[in-house]
Amino acid sequence: GENVEQHPSTLSVQEGDSAVIKCTYSDSASNYFPWYKQELGKGPQLIIDIRSNVGEKKDQRIAVTLNKTAKHFSLHITETQPEDSAVYFCAASPVNYQLIWGAGTKLIIKP
Amino acid sequence: EPEVTQTPSHQVTQMGQEVILRCVPISNHLYFYWYRQILGQKVEFLVSFYNNEISEKSEIFDDQFSVERPDGSNFTLKIRSTKLEDSAMYFCASSLSGGNTGELFFGEGSRLTVL
Repeated sequence: GENVEQHPSTLSVQEGDSAVIKCTYSDSASNYFPWYKQELGKGPQLIIDIRSNVGEKKDQRIAVTLNKTAKHFSLHITETQPEDSAVYFCAASPVNYQLIWGAGTKLIIKP
Repeated sequence: EPEVTQTPSHQVTQMGQEVILRCVPISNHLYFYWYRQILGQKVEFLVSFYNNEISEKSEIFDDQFSVERPDGSNFTLKIRSTKLEDSAMYFCASSLSGGNTGELFFGEGSRLTVL
């Protein structure tokens, strides 16, 4: 079955700098890769997703890149702000199968 | 904005007791899910539910777990005889479409503490 690895487990960046979180997956049949943001005491919230027919997707300060050959995908946050502090989860899913989640990255934005 | 609501937000129970966690999914959604997150660990899929039956379940979802949609709005997770290792945050989610075609909307979770 699918296995998703996520790195780093904790990432501390200066406000205004960029943050990059990386994930790898094992099942070449996976074709859907969402990223969730979880704030303290709340449920995960989808922030961006990408499908395997696309190499990159951008939404304002957030972008996701996908390398199908290497089976890895990354989340990029530019011009980080204090409200970006949260735990970020990547996930992967083959068609019609449930999401397999990474272990999460705690992003800390230092003022 | 429509949201998934869960009750209770926190429940403390003794080992061996039955627990029911409740969820009200977004009203026009058709697919419902339960996920579990042990403190500091990854989110784990438990079960998906569509058309009044379980569509998929994980290895975690053994015979002590059951789900039900008792009326047109609620979606419940029952744990028959709780164990210490059931202590976790349980998230309900719903989506308009199934598989990986629809965005999952999560509730804020129910924290279960088994003593």
